[in-house]
Amino acid sequence: AQRVTQPEKLLSVFKGAPVELKCNYSYSGSPELFWYVQYSRQRLQLLLRHISRESIKGFTADLNKGETSFHLKKPFAQEEDSAMYYCALSDPMYSGGGADGLTFGKGTHLIIQP
Amino acid sequence: DSGVTQTPKHLITATGQRVTLRCSPRSGDLSVYWYQQSLDQGLQFLIQYYNGEERAKGNILERFSAQQFPDLHSELNLSSLELGDSALYFCASSARIAAGELFFGEGSRLTVL
Repeated sequence: AQRVTQPEKLLSVFKGAPVELKCNYSYSGSPELFWYVQYSRQRLQLLLRHISRESIKGFTADLNKGETSFHLKKPFAQEEDSAMYYCALSDPMYSGGGADGLTFGKGTHLIIQP
Repeated sequence: DSGVTQTPKHLITATGQRVTLRCSPRSGDLSVYWYQQSLDQGLQFLIQYYNGEERAKGNILERFSAQQFPDLHSELNLSSLELGDSALYFCASSARIAAGELFFGEGSRLTVL
């Protein structure tokens, strides 16, 4: 069964400091990995996906298949980055019939201190 | 607003009761997903519908059921409610049959007393 682990429930860093939110996954195939974010009083929304290899709001994430990780990084944290961050996994070959949908980690609450 | 809409936003009920949560997907999206978010378990996938048909089941209890109607809106029915069913229930939609980028609603907060 696929599983996503975010080891930190809470991460607090100072403004301007680097941020790394950890995500490890357990999956036998080649999954799609995502980071979703939920800002205060807003909906859960997609931040970035590994296949796009893009940087969104200064965040990047590299898929490391050897370590089965997809850590989210930002070199200089800003106060507006404070939010809940969820790592998620999807099977791109999925065609239904089993327990699927996007599998989420339990989330990391990122707090950026001024 | 053509985003995902969920009703009601808040619901308080008693143990043993039955409630129905409603979701309207984003315009044009055929897939609807239901998730349960509780403090201990995080976001748990419950069930997915695609164009009216059930596509996948996750950790959905037998006391819970869902359906997607011809107009693509979906309802999640929760019966014989227990205290532990208190949670935030999210609906999400996507254009694809397989989960990828999901668009979430604001959630329905259920409190069972």
